[in-house]
Amino acid sequence: EAGVTQFPSHSVIEKGQTVTLRCDPISGHDNLYWYRRVMGKEIKFLLHFVKESKQDESGMPNNRFLAERTGGTYSTLKVQPAELEDSGVYFCASSQEAGRLWSEQYFGPGTRLTVT
Amino acid sequence: KNQVEQSPQSLIILEGKNCTLQCNYTVSPFSNLRWYKQDTGRGPVSLTIMTFSENTKSNGRYTATLDADTKQSSLHITASQLSDSASYICVVSQNSGGYQKVTFGTGTKLQVIP
Repeated sequence: EAGVTQFPSHSVIEKGQTVTLRCDPISGHDNLYWYRRVMGKEIKFLLHFVKESKQDESGMPNNRFLAERTGGTYSTLKVQPAELEDSGVYFCASSQEAGRLWSEQYFGPGTRLTVT
Repeated sequence: KNQVEQSPQSLIILEGKNCTLQCNYTVSPFSNLRWYKQDTGRGPVSLTIMTFSENTKSNGRYTATLDADTKQSSLHITASQLSDSASYICVVSQNSGGYQKVTFGTGTKLQVIP
């Protein structure tokens, strides 16, 4: 069974440009999470989808970030326009059943975003 | 404010030796605590999960302890191997409207040398 995949693995863009990150969760997983690790800091929660609905987007830093999960399958995270402080590693994770507090979260390898 | 603090920040040990990593948290209400291993360039992988009623959990050479009263956890690695070199992250979950919301620690970077 394929794990969580993320694309691209690396992205280098200039300030002001747009970037779209993609996450393909494990097939059948209802929950999809986005996280971010900024250099030297801990991984922080961005948002949580249950199927196609946003359950919690309290971690989204500002309205330059837009996440979607069309049809409850893959998800995209768009940053527009990108700023220098958006640089970091963006992780996606998925877990199986909606509403289960102990569902194991499986992480993707992350997308390293560098804004210059 | 919900926080998870880990110590030490980094650690170098000789292959075959044991080590213990620490995690203190202030997350409330507490649901569960996980230890993750993150290899360079990869996403975190879960090692153990404990609820407030569990005070020890083992996974091979990894043993995690939890003291829910003092809000402390530790991860003990026995007979370390070169492949144990990685970052170890303590993650505490809380119940947020029936779903889990997680707070990550900054991690301990472990290097095992021959």
